[in-house]
Parts: sequence; C-alpha cells; structure tokens
Amino acid sequence: NAGVMQNPRHLVRRRGQEARLRCSPMKGHSHVYWYRQLPEEGLKFMVYLQKENIIDESGMPKERFSAEFPKEGPSILRIQQVVRGDSAAYFCASSLGQGNEKLFFGSGTQLSVL
Amino acid sequence: KQEVTQIPAALSVPEGENLVLNCSFTDSAIYNLQWFRQDPGKGLTSLLLIQSSQREQTSGRLNASLDKSSGRSTLYIAASQPGDSATYLCAYETGAQKLVFGQGTRLTINP
Repeated sequence: NAGVMQNPRHLVRRRGQEARLRCSPMKGHSHVYWYRQLPEEGLKFMVYLQKENIIDESGMPKERFSAEFPKEGPSILRIQQVVRGDSAAYFCASSLGQGNEKLFFGSGTQLSVL
Repeated sequence: KQEVTQIPAALSVPEGENLVLNCSFTDSAIYNLQWFRQDPGKGLTSLLLIQSSQREQTSGRLNASLDKSSGRSTLYIAASQPGDSATYLCAYETGAQKLVFGQGTRLTINP
C-alpha cells in the first residue's frame, strides 16, 4: 500500500509562470489536505478537499492559488503567476475519514521561484 | 490566535540519554494533538496521536502526554539513538480538520 505520493519532488519556475503540484492520496483515502512550509516557518494549513469538493480553503491566498480533487486522478494545487514569495515546501496529506484521524503526509514538493 | 510553541528550538544530546521535548498551545478546544517527525528532504511521519480525552500515548521508546488544562504536551524519548535525529513537530487539530503546527525542535543525537 503506497503512501501519499507527491510529484514533482522539486519544481523550478520563473516569476510569472504557473506551478502545478500533484498529490495522490493513500489508497482508500478520500480526504486530502495541502500545507505549506515557508523557510524558517512552521507548516501552515492551506486547503482541505474531498472528492470533487473543497471543504475548507481558509488558508489559501486569495489570489493565484487554486486546488482541486477530481473524481478521478490526483489532487492538484495550482499556483498561477508565481512570485519569489511562493518558494516553499508544499506538503499534501490524506486521511481515511474526517476528525480525529491520523494524517499521512507525502514527501512534499519543493518549489523554487527564480 | 492559534499558536503552538515548541521549546527548545534545537537540542543536542549524547546517545543513550532520555530526553523531553515540550509543546505548548493556546487553544483549549482541541480535538487531538499529534507528534510528527520530519527528516530532511522527506515528509512528516506521524509518531503519536493523543485524543483530547486521553492523557498519554506510548509507542516503543516514545511517550507523549497531554494536559489540556495547562495547554501543554511533552514527548519523552527513552534511550536515544543517532537514528532519532530529526525535527520533531507538535500539532493540534481544531474542529475544522486543520492542524496547527509548532515550528519544531531540531534534535541531534551524538554517537
């Protein structure tokens, strides 16, 4: 049973380009969470999704960021027109259910914006 | 404001010592508290999860305690080994499926 798979592991983008980060949850998990870890800061919640639904996006920046978790395929975190301040490690986690459940994290995508 | 503070920020001890990592939080209405381990270039590994109704959890050489009334949790590592070197993160879950993380304690176990 593979764990949470994120790709790519490293992503380099120039300012103004788009970044697409992918996350495949653990088999059987239908709850996906995205967290961001800025340099020298703790992880911060971004968004919580279930299949085809955004449940909580209170941690998402108001502009340029979007997330989806389609019926088929991985969850995608999209950042449009990236800026240097978007450089961070982006972690995806999944859980079997909601509330009081262990989260299983992927290895993250390190985004570097030049 | 939801905050988690972890002390110390970094800790270096010789192999074999027992040690305690501290975590304090400001939100009293937590659903659970978790301790994670983060290795460089890798994701987080969940070590222990303590439900809000519990006082402690144990797994092997690890023991985590939770005192909601004082807003504190500790992670006790017995007989430390070089392989325990990592960053240890404390996080609590709010009712909204979100984890609020501390900045971590960077632990180094010296052979």
